[in-house]
Amino acid sequence: GAVVSQHPSRVICKSGTSVKIECRSLDFQATTMFWYRQFPKQSLMLMATSNEGSKATYEQGVEKDKFLINHASLTLSTLTVTSAHPEDSSFYICSARRDREDEQYFGPGTRLTVT
Amino acid sequence: KQEVTQIPAALSVPEGENLVLNCSFTDSAIYNLQWFRQDPGKGLTSLLLIQSSQREQTSGRLNASLDKSSGRSTLYIAASQPGDSATYLCAVRARTASKLTFGTGTRLQVTL
Repeated sequence: GAVVSQHPSRVICKSGTSVKIECRSLDFQATTMFWYRQFPKQSLMLMATSNEGSKATYEQGVEKDKFLINHASLTLSTLTVTSAHPEDSSFYICSARRDREDEQYFGPGTRLTVT
Repeated sequence: KQEVTQIPAALSVPEGENLVLNCSFTDSAIYNLQWFRQDPGKGLTSLLLIQSSQREQTSGRLNASLDKSSGRSTLYIAASQPGDSATYLCAVRARTASKLTFGTGTRLQVTL
């Protein structure tokens, strides 16, 4: 139980385009989902927290107009990187949680390369 | 602001050795602490979760301890195997917040 998937696992896009990453909780309903990014050989940095049906809460320094997060259902959250730039190239990982007392379950990550 | 540090940053040991990874955090008002494993280019695998009221958790060859008052946790790996080679991350969840703060990670290599 508690499986989280991400799609796609890898994506290459050109500068200036937008790319959408999906995060799904496969066997549970997630009231809260989290988006992280990880640069090579560095730790995970939280980008934003999203609760189903409400606006995401972004961490300081994360541009909400550039990284659009939608948590439209209890099993799906999406992260859209708009006007992608090479500096946005990174490993993006999502996690999901059933309720406040629960632990976070992590997806396998999405490798984004912007050329 | 919570800061989480892991020492050492990298570690290489021969197969069969017992080893200890360290994690320290600056704010002791935590809800829980979790240890993860990450293989290159992959997501996170949860290893052990210790609630703030607990002192340790064990799973197979892994044992994690928590000393909240001193802001420290250790992950003990017994009889290491080459398959244990990975990056190990600890993460702390604050009592008053939902988010996890991750440590800097320890890259472990177990050699034959």
